[in-house]
Amino acid sequence: EAQVTQNPRYLITVTGKKLTVTCSQNMNHEYMSWYRQDPGLGLRQIYYSMNVEVTDKGDVPEGYKVSRKEKRNFPLILESPSPNQTSLYFCASSPTPVGYGYTFGSGTRLTVV
Amino acid sequence: AQTVTQSQPEMSVQEAETVTLSCTYDTSESDYYLFWYKQPPSRQMILVIRQEAYKQQNATENRFSVNFQKAAKSFSLKISDSQLGDAAMYFCAYGRTGANNLFFGTGTRLTVIP
Repeated sequence: EAQVTQNPRYLITVTGKKLTVTCSQNMNHEYMSWYRQDPGLGLRQIYYSMNVEVTDKGDVPEGYKVSRKEKRNFPLILESPSPNQTSLYFCASSPTPVGYGYTFGSGTRLTVV
Repeated sequence: AQTVTQSQPEMSVQEAETVTLSCTYDTSESDYYLFWYKQPPSRQMILVIRQEAYKQQNATENRFSVNFQKAAKSFSLKISDSQLGDAAMYFCAYGRTGANNLFFGTGTRLTVIP
């Protein structure tokens, strides 16, 4: 089944404790992206990747890091999480950045206390 | 910057009736794509329908159809014969051809009344 697998589904952590949210796709898509969803704000892009070793900032990149060492994987790293990073996070992939629409992962609900 | 506006935070519809969700967007581009996504309580984001701006014909997918008005920059979603499973948050999204991302609206929560 074609899918984007995102883990964990829920995560509660403390301020300053580094964490990684994993994302993997099995569709051989070149484009992958991370979004955060907040009430009243919709989805906002954090980072994106056009291919292996090619990443760039989205609209809200502060406090986040990404890497793309393999085509299928695109982890999101929070080096020192803060409470304002409490949010619902989505990984998405697509053959191209815009035209096909995205296939989304199932989301990660992150709470930073 | 491109913006996508969904002016109806919440909508409700009786089961089997028809409902229309509104979306407007701001762009100076002529070549772009528009999407509607559904997010049920499971929070999975599901692509409902896709529209290419250069196509005048409105996209349809079974009970879901759009009214795309390019000059007015409007992209509404019509759900016919509403079902309980249609209850969800619906997001409108815009993407310029050649750009690196989609811009999403703030969402409309649809309730289906039995």
